[in-house]
Amino acid sequence: AQKITQTQPGMFVQEKEAVTLDCTYDTSDPSYGLFWYKQPSSGEMIFLIYQGSYDQQNATEGRYSLNFQKARKSANLVISASQLGDSAMYFCAMSRSNQAGTALIFGKGTTLSVSS
Amino acid sequence: EPEVTQTPSHQVTQMGQEVILRCVPISNHLYFYWYRQILGQKVEFLVSFYNNEISEKSEIFDDQFSVERPDGSNFTLKIRSTKLEDSAMYFCASSEAGAYNQPQHFGDGTRLSIL
Repeated sequence: AQKITQTQPGMFVQEKEAVTLDCTYDTSDPSYGLFWYKQPSSGEMIFLIYQGSYDQQNATEGRYSLNFQKARKSANLVISASQLGDSAMYFCAMSRSNQAGTALIFGKGTTLSVSS
Repeated sequence: EPEVTQTPSHQVTQMGQEVILRCVPISNHLYFYWYRQILGQKVEFLVSFYNNEISEKSEIFDDQFSVERPDGSNFTLKIRSTKLEDSAMYFCASSEAGAYNQPQHFGDGTRLSIL
């Protein structure tokens, strides 16, 4: 069965510093996608970044990058130059390839708090 | 930027009543999804929908739940007889295609409170 594990319930970082949010996954599928979503206190879910299982290079989107280590089954999110507005819950999620309209499997999330 | 819209933002309903949650997916997207998030817990998949049919559903999606695309723009989730444990945030999502590498874009959610 597929599983996403986020072991950090909470992380604290100073403004302008970089932070890494951990995510490990377990799957037997050769094809899968890994996603990160941000959920601010207002509740909406915002898509941040995607990494495919066959992608050779780590994904980047502005200040977000995904440190993908396939052999270790990890897909950590790196936020560079943290801003106060980055304070939110962050979810790692995985899709699977065996069916169209595939479900996303989510981890339990990490709460990031950015202080000035 | 196109977005998924959900209405209402908050719904309060008496236990045993029927409730319909509404969603307008992004216009060129073909796959639609419902997820729920009980307060403080992780997001859980309920159902996916394509071409007017359910593609996949979870064990949570029992006979009390149904989905429908009543017209060309709306996508609805109906809970027939609500229970206290149905209290949660319900998210609608859509994706352009159904493949594993397609990001799903979420709406802002409907907070459902069952009294």
